[in-house]
Amino acid sequence: QSVLTQPPSVSGAPGQRITISCTGTSSNIGADFDVHWYQQFPGAVPKLLIFNNHRRPSGVPDRFSGSKSDTSASLAITGLQPEDEADYYCQSYDKGLSGWVFGGGTKLTVL
Amino acid sequence: QVTLRESGPGLVKPTQTLTLTCTFTGPSFYTTGMSVAWIRQPPGKALEWLARIDSDDDKYFSKSLKARLTISRGTSKNQVALSLADMQPADTATYFCARMVKDGTYYFGDWGQGIFVSVS
Repeated sequence: QSVLTQPPSVSGAPGQRITISCTGTSSNIGADFDVHWYQQFPGAVPKLLIFNNHRRPSGVPDRFSGSKSDTSASLAITGLQPEDEADYYCQSYDKGLSGWVFGGGTKLTVL
Repeated sequence: QVTLRESGPGLVKPTQTLTLTCTFTGPSFYTTGMSVAWIRQPPGKALEWLARIDSDDDKYFSKSLKARLTISRGTSKNQVALSLADMQPADTATYFCARMVKDGTYYFGDWGQGIFVSVS
């Protein structure tokens, strides 16, 4: 059971907008720790997608955006493309555990 | 950007101790404020942070695995080693090392390719 809760799966048609939620508690996201997002294709290495809640590393399209509010965060993908099909993980810090925590991951299917 | 690569055995027996090495390119680990972490991912499951070591030798461990984990700076200036004792089938996973970046809070900026370790 992951500390951060994500939906196991989301889906959308090409061109649509989808969001992936990441729900935490007052020990992590609610304690004002930043949320970061990673994209992982099957059999591949996780790649940093969003850092510090909403910032994009160089090379990440602006179709990807992040937000954070209270004890949760969201990743939004607009103009969905078939190549966006991957697993997405949120990550933060938990002061109760004194460590870095991940969500359970969300599998995005592009219909 | 830092390039990281994990090495170690792909198969260990139950109760054995796993030792993995992370070798990375870039600035010397001893002279820069660098942090390296280990993360694992069982087949079909989520990512799990295991441990972190800083260039000044500060160390941090997952509470659930702390009793079994050791992390250290390697003999080479750009190596970090992780040991996990009493390996069990549930420890079967891909193990990644990653450079932790601090920009406000920490995130995992660069990742190694990962090494799959089976316990059987």
